[in-house]
Amino acid sequence: AQTVTQSQPEMSVQEAETVTLSCTYDTSESNYYLFWYKQPPSRQMILVIRQEAYKQQNATENRFSVNFQKAAKSFSLKISDSQLGDTAMYFCAFMNGETSGSRLTFGEGTQLTVNP
Amino acid sequence: DGGITQSPKYLFRKEGQNVTLSCEQNLNHDAMYWYRQDPGQGLRLIYYSQIVNDFQKGDIAEGYSVSREKKESFPLTVTSAQKNPTAFYLCASSISPRLTEAFFGQGTRLTVV
Repeated sequence: AQTVTQSQPEMSVQEAETVTLSCTYDTSESNYYLFWYKQPPSRQMILVIRQEAYKQQNATENRFSVNFQKAAKSFSLKISDSQLGDTAMYFCAFMNGETSGSRLTFGEGTQLTVNP
Repeated sequence: DGGITQSPKYLFRKEGQNVTLSCEQNLNHDAMYWYRQDPGQGLRLIYYSQIVNDFQKGDIAEGYSVSREKKESFPLTVTSAQKNPTAFYLCASSISPRLTEAFFGQGTRLTVV
């Protein structure tokens, strides 16, 4: 079974600074997808960024980028120019691309607080 | 507007009673999912459905039941067999079973009183 581990339960950053959230995963598969979801106080889950394991290039979405290290099974999220609206719980998630059934496996989450 | 609607937002249940959480989507998505979220934990998969009239158990299906009679609807019943039902429940959908992105509803907070 796949597992996803987020070792930082809480983090804080000053507005306009950069912060990196860590995520590691465990799988024996070679084809899979990785995601970062954001859950603000409204509790609405919002997709931040996704990475296909077969792509070597790290995904980027505006101020959000990932550092995907396939051999190390690491998938960190970097938020640049942090904004107050980035305050949220961030979840790393894994999906096996080989199986016919879709099972998003989530980490425990990292609560990020952006301070003014 | 297209999206996923969960209702109600807050739900209270007496011990021993069954309760059904609604999830409707108008995105024409084939796959739908139910997750449970507890404080300090990530989301855990309860049930998922890839097509109409078919569904599979997730990691914590005991005490729950689902149906998928229509493509747009995937209701979750929390039965009296679920020993600790108080939690936040999230419904999601995706275009296909091999999802590359899941869209989530706004959730239902269930409290057993």
